[in-house]
Amino acid sequence: GAVVSQHPSWVICKSGTSVKIECRSLDFQATTMFWYRQFPKQSLMLMATSNEGSKATYEQGVEKDKFLINHASLTLSTLTVTSAHPEDSSFYICSANGGQLKNTEAFFGQGTRLTVV
Amino acid sequence: DAKTTQPPSMDCAEGRAANLPCNHSTISGNEYVYWYRQIHSQGPQYIIHGLKNNETNEMASLIITEDRKSSTLILPHATLRDTAVYYCIVRVATRGGADGLTFGKGTHLIIQP
Repeated sequence: GAVVSQHPSWVICKSGTSVKIECRSLDFQATTMFWYRQFPKQSLMLMATSNEGSKATYEQGVEKDKFLINHASLTLSTLTVTSAHPEDSSFYICSANGGQLKNTEAFFGQGTRLTVV
Repeated sequence: DAKTTQPPSMDCAEGRAANLPCNHSTISGNEYVYWYRQIHSQGPQYIIHGLKNNETNEMASLIITEDRKSSTLILPHATLRDTAVYYCIVRVATRGGADGLTFGKGTHLIIQP
């Protein structure tokens, strides 16, 4: 299957700082990528849809000014958590669909564990 | 997307077949059944999907009932590495995949040595 790589795998930051997470599709072009958040013992929740060359679409309740998404190329989307606070500590996961493929199984990155102290 | 219901947890002995059920009684004619799994602290992994015919790949088999209201994921020879949360998701498969996935609580499958 297709490979999606996330970086970093984990990050610890101080409250009030910003953190950028990268999501790359390594062997295919992804016009659309997705960002999810997962709190401990909970399921993944879709945060936003990242579209190459256009603005991201955010799910209800997700602050677009706090979670900045940039999808500047067909292989890279970034999520920046601005002015992070302890409640933003979570597991952030990106995914991409093989846009040129007939079937639409999603391929996920390995996730980024964010801890805000 | 149609809602799915899965048991919260299941145990299975190593080497035996693990059969994970999923109910999706409100599934529409154009919705597929997808299965993903998430091993602890990793991103989800695609397993298999199907529309109405049974499907098999190198990882698992998917059995969909004739009325399509339920399905079963079968891991034929479970190993300890198959311990994970398994998600059954029903969705329309559109070219280009424009929609994100809606994850339920899934089934936590624990493979016992």
